[in-house]
Amino acid sequence: GAVVSQHPSRVICKSGTSVKIECRSLDFQATTMFWYRQFPKQSLMLMATSNEGSKATYEQGVEKDKFLINHASLTLSTLTVTSAHPEDSSFYICSARPSDYQETQYFGPGTRLLVL
Amino acid sequence: GNSVTQMEGPVTLSEEAFLTINCTYTATGYPSLFWYVQYPGEGLQLLLKATKADDKGSNKGFEATYRKETTSFHLEKGSVQVSDSAVYFCALGPNQAGTALIFGKGTTLSVSS
Repeated sequence: GAVVSQHPSRVICKSGTSVKIECRSLDFQATTMFWYRQFPKQSLMLMATSNEGSKATYEQGVEKDKFLINHASLTLSTLTVTSAHPEDSSFYICSARPSDYQETQYFGPGTRLLVL
Repeated sequence: GNSVTQMEGPVTLSEEAFLTINCTYTATGYPSLFWYVQYPGEGLQLLLKATKADDKGSNKGFEATYRKETTSFHLEKGSVQVSDSAVYFCALGPNQAGTALIFGKGTTLSVSS
């Protein structure tokens, strides 16, 4: 149980285009989803926290107009990287939590984005 | 604020060696503690967790004990395998409802045969 999927697993796009990444909780409803960016030296950077039906809460330094997050249902959150640039190339990982009474987060397999 | 400090890697071991990855934390209250593992090219998987002081989490031969007196949650395994090569993250439970786990920077483990 507690499986989280991400799609696509890998994407290559041209500079200036937008890319959407989907995150789904397959066997549970996620009241809260999180989006992370992982840099080459392994550290995870929390980008934003999203709750179903409400606006995402972005971490300091993360541009909300560039990284659009939508949590339209209890099983789906999307991250759209708008007007992508090469510096946006990274590994993006989503995570979901079944309820606020649980602390455990379940992670998706990640999406590798390469912007040319 | 709450934080997690992990030993810096990489850690390089031979197969069947004993593993310890140190993790210490700073927190108010009594948060849960977690170890996650990330295999190459994949997302993070929950390895084990402990929810209160003196609890021992264990899974796949790994174990960690929640030590309140030393504010530590060190990860140990008696005999590592090549397949254990991965990045290991220590994490602290959120300091308020609805917020994310607080992660350490990760420790890379490489096991050679």
